Amino acid sequence: DAKTTQPTSMDCAEGRAANLPCNHSTISGNEYVYWYRQIHSQGPQYIIHGLKNNETNEMASLIITEDRKSSTLILPHATLRDTAVYYCIVTSNFGNEKLTFGTGTRLTIIP
Amino acid sequence: DAGVIQSPRHEVTEMGQEVTLRCKPISGHNSLFWYRQTMMRGLELLIYFNNNVPIDDSGMPEDRFSAKMPNASFSTLKIQPSEPRDSAVYFCASSFQGYNSPLHFGNGTRLTVT
Repeated sequence: DAKTTQPTSMDCAEGRAANLPCNHSTISGNEYVYWYRQIHSQGPQYIIHGLKNNETNEMASLIITEDRKSSTLILPHATLRDTAVYYCIVTSNFGNEKLTFGTGTRLTIIP
Repeated sequence: DAGVIQSPRHEVTEMGQEVTLRCKPISGHNSLFWYRQTMMRGLELLIYFNNNVPIDDSGMPEDRFSAKMPNASFSTLKIQPSEPRDSAVYFCASSFQGYNSPLHFGNGTRLTVT
């Protein structure tokens, strides 16, 4: 059962903001939204996570809608090195619920 | 901090041979995960250790696969005997506290079984 829905692929021009959407309409109250990315030939890399408030770190911003049914990962000034597969994952921070990776969004930054 | 270290980066072996993959987690992390990635099945969790104890091994494909964590700084994933369908990239990850904190992945071992 997929908890999240993401577009298969997206393009973004270098230097522009990349906005990656994720739908998680069945999210429950204790579930967090996590974002990871996987650059070719590397292991997945943690980006950011949040519960209901918007979050920002040195890599990205996470905007979660008020009803928590969707979110957007924002890379403010995309570079070629941001080309990767981006995974949106919904998981509880309690117990031993598995971190399940779906198919993600393949983001290509265009020079 | 060197991150999660996996060895070897690449392994090519013949069907029927034993394969051992190694992982050194980040110091201070008490949880360790082994994942496998293929084109067909994506990233799959194989096994999860917490404080060196296996917590969830439901993803281990079959008895040919075994994993150990003899201490907090080392883990192995062994396949005996190996088969061509085991060809994949195997990732090790560690975290400070299970799934309650972000996972940090190594760069994987690409296994090819001929």
